[in-house]
Amino acid sequence: EPEVTQTPSHQVTQMGQEVILRCVPISNHLYFYWYRQILGQKVEFLVSFYNNEISEKSEIFDDQFSVERPDGSNFTLKIRSTKLEDSAMYFCASRAGTSGTDTQYFGPGTRLTVL
Amino acid sequence: AQSVTQPDIHITVSEGASLELRCNYSYGATPYLFWYVQSPGQGLQLLLKYFSGDTLVQGIKGFEAEFKRSQSSFNLRKPSVHWSDAAEYFCAVGTYSSASKIIFGSGTRLSIRP
Repeated sequence: EPEVTQTPSHQVTQMGQEVILRCVPISNHLYFYWYRQILGQKVEFLVSFYNNEISEKSEIFDDQFSVERPDGSNFTLKIRSTKLEDSAMYFCASRAGTSGTDTQYFGPGTRLTVL
Repeated sequence: AQSVTQPDIHITVSEGASLELRCNYSYGATPYLFWYVQSPGQGLQLLLKYFSGDTLVQGIKGFEAEFKRSQSSFNLRKPSVHWSDAAEYFCAVGTYSSASKIIFGSGTRLSIRP
């Protein structure tokens, strides 16, 4: 069964450093998402991406964040200058997009630790 | 604004006992509703979803959920839990925005007593 993959599984970085989290969505899916889950809190929507542009973003997704689909398979989330409060589990998701009721499939997550 | 409330932070049930996890939502129209499960160190797996039609939906791993519009609820049930069901369970609502983002509840952690 196709699945969303994410790398790395765990990333440790120093405050102020740039990080790039990578995701490979399910092939032929059209909509891509990033969510995050701060330890002990709920999963929160960050951004959605369709047709090579952001379709919606939350208030969390400020100028420090950016997303990109650099090629036909990868979907990345970049944090330009990490802060302590960026420490969280980051989930990538994708959906086919042929219907508004399509299921979003989530990857296993990347745990980001900012020191 | 859309929101999801899971009133139980942590539930412990005995193996073989029945389970019901509560979920209430707030949404202005007919919602898309989901239950996801997250095992330790794992991603989010879809258990079941409701969009329309029969208000009792069946999911994977023997789970079911019932949509009750009058109570704005979408409770998850299982008649007999197994030790492997120990996990975090998230109720969620899908929005009608073009992005179809998902809004999650805070989760209920399920522990199984041997």
